[in-house]
Formats: sequence, C-alpha cells, structure tokens
Amino acid sequence: ETGVTQSPTHLIKTRGQQVTLRCSSQSGHNTVSWYQQALGQGPQFIFQYYREEENGRGNFPPRFSGLQFPNYSSELNVNALELDDSALYLCASSRGLAGSDFSHEQFFGPGTRLTVL
Amino acid sequence: DAKTTQPPSMDCAEGRAANLPCNHSTISGNEYVYWYRQIHSQGPQYIIHGLKNNETNEMASLIITEDRKSSTLILPHATLRDTAVYYCIDLNQGGKLIFGQGTELSVKP
Repeated sequence: ETGVTQSPTHLIKTRGQQVTLRCSSQSGHNTVSWYQQALGQGPQFIFQYYREEENGRGNFPPRFSGLQFPNYSSELNVNALELDDSALYLCASSRGLAGSDFSHEQFFGPGTRLTVL
Repeated sequence: DAKTTQPPSMDCAEGRAANLPCNHSTISGNEYVYWYRQIHSQGPQYIIHGLKNNETNEMASLIITEDRKSSTLILPHATLRDTAVYYCIDLNQGGKLIFGQGTELSVKP
C-alpha cells in the first residue's frame, strides 16, 4: 500500500466520449505525475503537476488535460476518446521538485484500467 | 524515448542473487540512476536510487560503475515474490520518469 488511491478501478467507454480519472496523493506530497501504460509496454509520461501548476508534459495531444487541486489530489481528463486510449492509467505522488523539499521516490497508485470500444 | 537499455528477460533460481544490468550510455553528470519494479497488475514500486556511489537498502543493492555508463541492481536472495518487470531510469532531480521496456525477471523454485 502506497497511500495513493485512484478511481475508478475499471472503466469502459465508447469512442468519442470523454472520461475523468481521479487520483488522491499521499499525505504531504505536492507533486502528481500521470502515466499511460499500454498492454505489454512500460508506462509513458503524460504530465506532471506541482502545487496546482502543470510542470512538464510528455508527447500527448491537448485532448489529454489535467488539474491539481489545493489538497494536491488530481484529475486526468481525456476528450474525444480513441481506441488507442485503451490502457492502464497510473498516477504517482511525490514531494517537491528539487532541493530540500524534494524526495526521490515516487509512489504509484494501483491504476485505472480504461477500455475504449 | 527511454535513455537506458536492459535485457528483455532474465531467470533466477529462488534463494540466489539476481543481478540485473542496465546501460546508461547518455547519462549526464547530474542525473540519478533509479530502479523501479512492477509486479503484474500493480503500479510500479520504487526500489533504490543513486548518483555516483553504490547504495544499499532493505530491498536491494545498486552498483554504479565509475564512468556511470552502467549499473547493476542486485536482489541478494531472490524470492518468488520478486518476479516482476524491473526498470532502470536516469534523470535529473525532480524529473519525469521515462520508462523503457524493462527486464522481466522470473524467479523459479
């Protein structure tokens, strides 16, 4: 158990729909990162939020968007779902970005399995 | 794209040491070496990290070569529960984890 929770556990959507995935970070953590993991592949970085601001984005289109709230929980939104969006979506919480506030370890949640039909 | 290279799979006998290699051919001076593992159907789990010196914690040991171009993760007494995909990553402090394909370790009785 990492203290990072994600909801829902599983989700089935149809092509063109929109989806919101949620992540509650570990207590004391102010940084949340989101990853997409297709079957048989390593996780791919989507974006990171630090203190409610986006701090870096991977090679994902704008229809992937996110939010971080004052309590440092986070949402991942995907619009106009495509079949290739079917994957395990992982969030990871950590502390800080650099310096004394920073901790090296990222704590991952169990993921949300999204299936797009 | 991932910056590290790892063998796709390895086997290890239960109770023996598992030595997982990784090449960091483009690592820069301020980038750390991180190891994570992912047990089937779970989120990745942090194992250990290092910059220049060898490191040890309750899970594993990390050996980094003097030129920092390669590292080895050592699980001293592998158990069946260590069967997982192991990822090595090099990045700056606070950076975003860039996962490759990892090494699928099978620990056999």
